Amino acid sequence: DAKTTQPPSMDCAEGRAANLPCNHSTISGNEYVYWYRQIHSQGPQYIIHGLKNNETNEMASLIITEDRKSSTLILPHATLRDTAVYYCIVRVRQGGKLIFGQGTELSVKP
Amino acid sequence: SQTIHQWPATLVQPVGSPLSLECTVEGTSNPNLYWYRQAAGRGLQLLFYSVGIGQISSEVPQNLSASRPQDRQFILSSKKLLLSDSGFYLCAWSVSAGPNEKLFFGSGTQLSVL
Repeated sequence: DAKTTQPPSMDCAEGRAANLPCNHSTISGNEYVYWYRQIHSQGPQYIIHGLKNNETNEMASLIITEDRKSSTLILPHATLRDTAVYYCIVRVRQGGKLIFGQGTELSVKP
Repeated sequence: SQTIHQWPATLVQPVGSPLSLECTVEGTSNPNLYWYRQAAGRGLQLLFYSVGIGQISSEVPQNLSASRPQDRQFILSSKKLLLSDSGFYLCAWSVSAGPNEKLFFGSGTQLSVL
């Protein structure tokens, strides 16, 4: 199973773009990259996922490098409510399981 | 729409006491169900998952157990709690085990074992 590496913490100014990196150098060809976030004392929330192509939805954009060894989650205009722990996860192929790492604690500051 | 209910929200239990946490899902059939635990300041640890009634897979050996007596009900239990069982317990559900599977989490139970 591919593992992910994320910085433990990041700061971002309110209104600016937040770019959260993730390394997954051992990812297999058919494994997806998922992003979830967890606001303090709440359950994690799904953000976005992708395989090869860049993806965008109402919450964020996901940029995956051509070799798929890393990705970046982009929150285009961060708000204070985006302060949370962001988890980058590579989907385990069997059993429908998602294995969470330690994540990146993003602090959005006014 | 689908909803997930998890209770209680907080629980304080003495060491050696039993535990029963319940999770139910509404608005969907035959969901995949999961129990995760999060120790203070750490990431989520997958404890159990179930793809159907009576089908439970354990990820981490410990003194906890899980049961799925009904399609949309998932129960986490212990006969005797340990101090190390303290943590934030999260139930989650999903449909489809394919590549586009998304997990939806409950609001969690904060368990303190004293």
